[in-house]
Amino acid sequence: KQEVTQIPAALSVPEGENLVLNCSFTDSAIYNLQWFRQDPGKGLTSLLLIQSSQREQTSGRLNASLDKSSGRSTLYIAASQPGDSATYLCAVFSGGGADGLTFGKGTHLIIQP
Amino acid sequence: DGGITQSPKYLFRKEGQNVTLSCEQNLNHDAMYWYRQDPGQGLRLIYYSQIVNDFQKGDIAEGYSVSREKKESFPLTVTSAQKNPTAFYLCASRTQGIYTFGSGTRLTVV
Repeated sequence: KQEVTQIPAALSVPEGENLVLNCSFTDSAIYNLQWFRQDPGKGLTSLLLIQSSQREQTSGRLNASLDKSSGRSTLYIAASQPGDSATYLCAVFSGGGADGLTFGKGTHLIIQP
Repeated sequence: DGGITQSPKYLFRKEGQNVTLSCEQNLNHDAMYWYRQDPGQGLRLIYYSQIVNDFQKGDIAEGYSVSREKKESFPLTVTSAQKNPTAFYLCASRTQGIYTFGSGTRLTVV
C-alpha cells in the first residue's frame, strides 16, 4: 500500500528565506505527484502537478522536483513571504485498481514577518 | 467559472441523526471523491465514483453512504453508524489524473 511522508511536519522561518519541503513515497509506480496548499478551514488549492515522466515543474516562486526512482519530491519556495503561510500537502496518484490520491500529513509553514 | 461547490460550509449533527453533505461540480469530470480530514492524520478516502450510477468504498467507508445519480452531483450521507463523525470533509473531482477540490464542509457532533 502506498504511503506518503512529509518532512518536516512544521516549519517556521523569517520572511525572505528560501526553503525546501520534502515528500517521500514508498511505491514508485505513480502516474503523477501533486503539491497542494491548504489555508486554515479551507479546501485544497493545487500548486504544481508533476507527471511521472517529468523531473520538475515551476510556477512563479515555486519549484517542485520529482525523483520517481528514489520515491522523493521536493517543493522549493524562493524568497518566502508571510502570505505563503499555510499547510502544504503532497499527494501521489497511483491509478490502477486503487483509485484516489494518497496524501502525506502535510507541512505546516509559518513565515515570520 | 468551473469548479466544485460544497454545502453547507458548517454542519452540526445531533447524536443518532443522519446528515447529508452536498457536492456539485460543473467541470464535466467523470470521477468524484469524498475525503475526510482529521488533525494530524491527513486526508483519507471515504468513497469514490468513476462514473454515474457506480461508486466504490474507499479506506474508511463504514458509517457513510453515497449516491451518484447525476454526473454533476455526489452527495455524502453521514449515518448514525459513524461513531466519530466530527471532521472536515472534502469533495474532489478528477480528469486525467488532475484533481480539483471543493472548499469543504466542517461537521460537528453536538
